[in-house]
Amino acid sequence: GAVVSQHPSWVICKSGTSVKIECRSLDFQATTMFWYRQFPKQSLMLMATSNEGSKATYEQGVEKDKFLINHASLTLSTLTVTSAHPEDSSFYICSAPRTGTGTDTQYFGPGTRLTVL
Amino acid sequence: GNSVTQMEGPVTLSEEAFLTINCTYTATGYPSLFWYVQYPGEGLQLLLKATKADDKGSNKGFEATYRKETTSFHLEKGSVQVSDSAVYFCALSSGNDYKLSFGAGTTVTVRA
Repeated sequence: GAVVSQHPSWVICKSGTSVKIECRSLDFQATTMFWYRQFPKQSLMLMATSNEGSKATYEQGVEKDKFLINHASLTLSTLTVTSAHPEDSSFYICSAPRTGTGTDTQYFGPGTRLTVL
Repeated sequence: GNSVTQMEGPVTLSEEAFLTINCTYTATGYPSLFWYVQYPGEGLQLLLKATKADDKGSNKGFEATYRKETTSFHLEKGSVQVSDSAVYFCALSSGNDYKLSFGAGTTVTVRA
């Protein structure tokens, strides 16, 4: 079946550094991908929609200069957390809808645990 | 805006017990409703869905019925197994853009 991967699965960084998280669709092309953020014991919150070949669209309250999204190809979207601070520590999850005749299913990556010291 | 309220966990059950996880929603228009499951160390997987009122989604022994009058989509399984231990998320989508609004998730642990 369709698989979405994320890399890395976990990362620890120092405050003030930038961290890049990759999201790949492994056996299908995705013109759109989504980035979610999940705090402990809380819901997944949609951060932004990543659009291949164009700018990402951000949900209200999400700082676009803080969370840079690049969707450079039909199988790869990256989320860069710039100048990370401890409050950015969270679980980041991407998803990609696989569209086509008879199938409109969204596939999720396993998530990336970011810890900012 | 859209929102999903889900029964809080954690829920601990014995094997073969009956499982219910309540989910209610607020949405504009006519949303599609979903249950996703996340097994340990894996990504979220679609468990079942319903796209219109009175539809029943079912998969792997789980069922949920789209109740518009009570704005609910409760998840049920008659006899759980240890392998059903996971986190379950109720979610909705109200447009054609695949954006999902999630509930908080319910951790279910089934003991042998």
